[in-house]
Amino acid sequence: NAGVTQTPKFQVLKTGQSMTLQCAQDMNHEYMSWYRQDPGMGLRLIHYSVGAGITDQGEVPNGYNVSRSTTEDFPLRLLSAAPSQTSVYFCASSRLNTEAFFGQGTRLTVV
Amino acid sequence: AQKVTQAQTEISVVEKEDVTLDCVYETRDTTYYLFWYKQPPSGELVFLIRRNSFDEQNEISGRYSWNFQKSTSSFNFTITASQVVDSAVYFCALSEGITSGTYKYIFGTGTRLKVLA
Repeated sequence: NAGVTQTPKFQVLKTGQSMTLQCAQDMNHEYMSWYRQDPGMGLRLIHYSVGAGITDQGEVPNGYNVSRSTTEDFPLRLLSAAPSQTSVYFCASSRLNTEAFFGQGTRLTVV
Repeated sequence: AQKVTQAQTEISVVEKEDVTLDCVYETRDTTYYLFWYKQPPSGELVFLIRRNSFDEQNEISGRYSWNFQKSTSSFNFTITASQVVDSAVYFCALSEGITSGTYKYIFGTGTRLKVLA
């Protein structure tokens, strides 16, 4: 059972480069979300989705785009990376208001 | 607005001591859910418990217990007879949306627990 698959695990970007973090789940969960984890800041919600075709902004959405064309996939796009986006990113999925299942995380460094 | 506050940034205890991690939340919804997660040094996030806003019964699972008090908007977590393996960052989380329609699932800033041998 794969659960939540998040790729890549590590990434180094130069300022201004773009990239997409991939997230896929095989549990047919309607709810998917992206968080960033920074020291002392906990997990902050970037964007979330309650179903295919529906996305909404979380606490820190600036600089990030998402789309949800299928139930399974929820990619996070950085259009022009900035050093402030250096962080560990987690994708999660769940039924609404239930236990969240997390990916393994992506450690992103922007230089 | 929705908010989760974990005022304790870091706690150190000696093995076998009891320790309580505090969580205070804010929400306008009448129906909401509270969670605790553990993040060990390896980095993954492990679900511990879920509570809905209509169930204020305390829960005990082995050495872990949770105290939910709506009157003080708190959902505290106690580890009894702590062990070194309990060393981790613990997150409290809040999920709402049935009333408001915005299903944000947000986390507190976490409490780092260090259990010393």
